[in-house]
Amino acid sequence: GEDVEQSLFLSVREGDSSVINCTYTDSSSTYLYWYKQEPGAGLQLLTYIFSNMDMKQDQRLTVLLNKKDKHLSLRIADTQTGDSAIYFCAESTGYSSASKIIFGSGTRLSIRP
Amino acid sequence: KAGVTQTPRYLIKTRGQQVTLSCSPISGHRSVSWYQQTPGQGLQFLFEYFSETQRNKGNFPGRFSGRQFSNSRSEMNVSTLELGDSALYLCASSVEGGVGVFGPGTRLTVL
Repeated sequence: GEDVEQSLFLSVREGDSSVINCTYTDSSSTYLYWYKQEPGAGLQLLTYIFSNMDMKQDQRLTVLLNKKDKHLSLRIADTQTGDSAIYFCAESTGYSSASKIIFGSGTRLSIRP
Repeated sequence: KAGVTQTPRYLIKTRGQQVTLSCSPISGHRSVSWYQQTPGQGLQFLFEYFSETQRNKGNFPGRFSGRQFSNSRSEMNVSTLELGDSALYLCASSVEGGVGVFGPGTRLTVL
């Protein structure tokens, strides 16, 4: 069945770039997302990419998609303490992009001073 | 534009009881999806409603049900609560083909 995998933890120094990686199995994915969750909060959509794109840049965020390897990455430039959170990689194929989203287990990003 | 709202934000119930959670989507969004988040299972899709009809369903027992009203507001109901139903329940709304926006969630604790 569909599966999304990502590493559980990442620690980076403040000011450095963070790169969170993810692999997925469903080749018919339409949307691929990155969500951020802070303690006690809901899910904040950070960015998303359509499956026919290779890259998307949005301010400090860069998403790279390697469709052949089914690999998605999120790069956060100039990582700040406010970036500390859990980051979820996700994919969907539904009519509505909010439907039947398959999430990874989340990567906890911690920032070292 | 107001975001997705969920009520209540926190809820405590005991085993065997039932619970109803509410989700008000962003104005103009007709699709509402529900997700359950637990430490053990992560985020799992429950169901999606579109134009008052259930369009997709995840792999949850029949104790979990939902509905959508003509104004696109949605409710989900869990009957005969079990300890394992303790979770953060999230809803997301979208326009057709649009990106989903999640609400803050309802944290349900079953004692």
